[in-house]
Amino acid sequence: DAKTTQPNSMESNEEEPVHLPCNHSTISGTDYIHWYRQLPSQGPEYVIHGLTSNVNNRMASLAIAEDRKSSTLILHRATLRDAAVYYCILIGSNTGKLIFGQGTTLQVKP
Amino acid sequence: GAVVSQHPSRVICKSGTSVKIECRSLDFQATTMFWYRQFPKQSLMLMATSNEGSKATYEQGVEKDKFLINHASLTLSTLTVTSAHPEDSSFYICSAAGGFGDSGNTIYFGEGSWLTVV
Repeated sequence: DAKTTQPNSMESNEEEPVHLPCNHSTISGTDYIHWYRQLPSQGPEYVIHGLTSNVNNRMASLAIAEDRKSSTLILHRATLRDAAVYYCILIGSNTGKLIFGQGTTLQVKP
Repeated sequence: GAVVSQHPSRVICKSGTSVKIECRSLDFQATTMFWYRQFPKQSLMLMATSNEGSKATYEQGVEKDKFLINHASLTLSTLTVTSAHPEDSSFYICSAAGGFGDSGNTIYFGEGSWLTVV
């Protein structure tokens, strides 16, 4: 599976936008870009996913570079509840197998 | 939305005993489920792929005789930690795919199960 690279940690102020980057230079044409987040002592939670086009949902937006070698998860207004570890993961079609990297620990300051 | 549920959420067992953790898909059928373990302040590590009606596929370095996986139905997979030792104490998490295809498979995770071996 292609690997992803994320910063270890980021900080944000409450109610400000947050841009979480992810590099995936070895992504293949059939790989979907998925984002999950994990709050302390909980299982990971699905955030968003995309293939080529930018995606929006109620939780976040996903901006995918034109060459697909990088993507950015955008939280439009960070809240204290958004403090979590965010994982960017590539998934090929027809598989649910996820290989987790270290993710980005997001701290949100009031 | 799809929900995956684990039970128990916390369990304490004595060293040398076995403990079973259940993972259920509540509103969809999952032919494949996955088991992860996570140590404090570390990322999730994939242990095995649970296949309904067939043997589980274990990742390299995971002892299949110690971590028994059974996937007897389309909605239930179980992980049994046999002859547990304190070093098996960890957070165990299962997942299941809600569907595949053009939309990209969304993976749903259970709440996790804390195992403490004393």
